[in-house]
Amino acid sequence: EIVMTQSPATLSVSPGERITLSCRASQSVTSKLAWYQQKPGQAPRLLIYGASTRATGIPARFSGSGSGTEFTLTISSLQSEDFAVYYCQQYNYWPLYTFGQGTKLEIK
Amino acid sequence: EVQLVESGGGLVKPGGSLRLSCAASGFSFSDAWMSWVRQAPGKGLEWVGRIKSKRGGGTTDYAAPVKGRFTISRDDSENTVYLQMNSLMTEDTAVYYCAKVYTLDNLAFDFWGQGTLVTVSS
Repeated sequence: EIVMTQSPATLSVSPGERITLSCRASQSVTSKLAWYQQKPGQAPRLLIYGASTRATGIPARFSGSGSGTEFTLTISSLQSEDFAVYYCQQYNYWPLYTFGQGTKLEIK
Repeated sequence: EVQLVESGGGLVKPGGSLRLSCAASGFSFSDAWMSWVRQAPGKGLEWVGRIKSKRGGGTTDYAAPVKGRFTISRDDSENTVYLQMNSLMTEDTAVYYCAKVYTLDNLAFDFWGQGTLVTVSS
């Protein structure tokens, strides 16, 4: 079973900062990795698929990189609406999708 | 505009059954692969299962914790996907989301419903 590990669990940051979230897979998932954003009381929203392709309507300040087992999500300049929980998900070993445990971005 | 609207959640006793529905609109439902994902209170996301389009074979796959207890089906004439949940356990308590698979080349979930809460408690 593939295990996805995200770090850090929580990140306290200020608006305007540049941040990088990490996601590590227990074995290679090639580039079959997605990132989602979830705000309280809302459904997740797809941000990035294929490790680095922004989904429709996602602002350019969001970028994804990596392949194999190491992936990052970067937000170049945090906006107030970006404070949320972020999940990575592998879909290389489908049909068994696996999510990371999430990283919570909170306002410092 | 793509919309996914879940319904059917509620309170059920351990060992009971519940059927969730997800009504879809705004895309070619018959061509879409659909999944269910759940989220226990205060926890992360957990994939539950997936149904392919009929053209893709219409087959289903399930996560280990629900295999043999949950069944996903679809009615393309009603643009609806279902999740039949039997032998429910307290650990099945969660918000259940239906989600649309983006494409066959990119199996991420591009649209999600708002979720429906299932509470399993005596």
